[in-house]
Amino acid sequence: KAGVTQTPRYLIKTRGQQVTLSCSPISGHRSVSWYQQTPGQGLQFLFEYFSETQRNKGNFPGRFSGRQFSNSRSEMNVSTLELGDSALYLCASSFRTDNEQYFGPGTRLTVT
Amino acid sequence: QQPVQSPQAVILREGEDAVINCSSSKALYSVHWYRQKHGEAPVFLMILLKGGEQKGHEKISASFNEKKQQSSLYLTASQLSYSGTYFCGTEGETSGTYKYIFGTGTRLKVLA
Repeated sequence: KAGVTQTPRYLIKTRGQQVTLSCSPISGHRSVSWYQQTPGQGLQFLFEYFSETQRNKGNFPGRFSGRQFSNSRSEMNVSTLELGDSALYLCASSFRTDNEQYFGPGTRLTVT
Repeated sequence: QQPVQSPQAVILREGEDAVINCSSSKALYSVHWYRQKHGEAPVFLMILLKGGEQKGHEKISASFNEKKQQSSLYLTASQLSYSGTYFCGTEGETSGTYKYIFGTGTRLKVLA
């Protein structure tokens, strides 16, 4: 079974720009969660989607948004990028919202 | 509040045992454990649900004391492949503000 895929793997953007990251979950998984990982803050929960509905949201500003499509693929958007948004963005999928999560390889975002 | 893990870092020789603790200030519904190797995505190890459950996976096992809001991960007869950063993930508030909160992480290095 194919794992979670994320595109792109690496991204360099400048302050003020916006970015869209994509995540394709494991086939059959309907829950997708997004995380931001930085050396200083560790793994921080962004949001979770299940069947195209946002179920939970972490403590991030409104510049961070996401959506999930009918095929369970998910996108995350960050508008008006700041230097502090530089991080590894991970998405994870699970069959249900209370199941173990399987992580994708992540998208490394660098904001200059 | 982020669950606190202890120790922050540990160095072992092959064959030695280690215990990693995860403590939360909030009531826990479940605890997940993950291992992340450098440059890779976190990999699920096990999930423990309410009820003082103890689970095992090869030479890695874990316990969950919901009254103490603590979980411990036990690594027995450690192998080189156990090196990495271990995270506990706990289910947080259910009001919709967040779902998973990951612990502060424990860096474990196993030496030959």
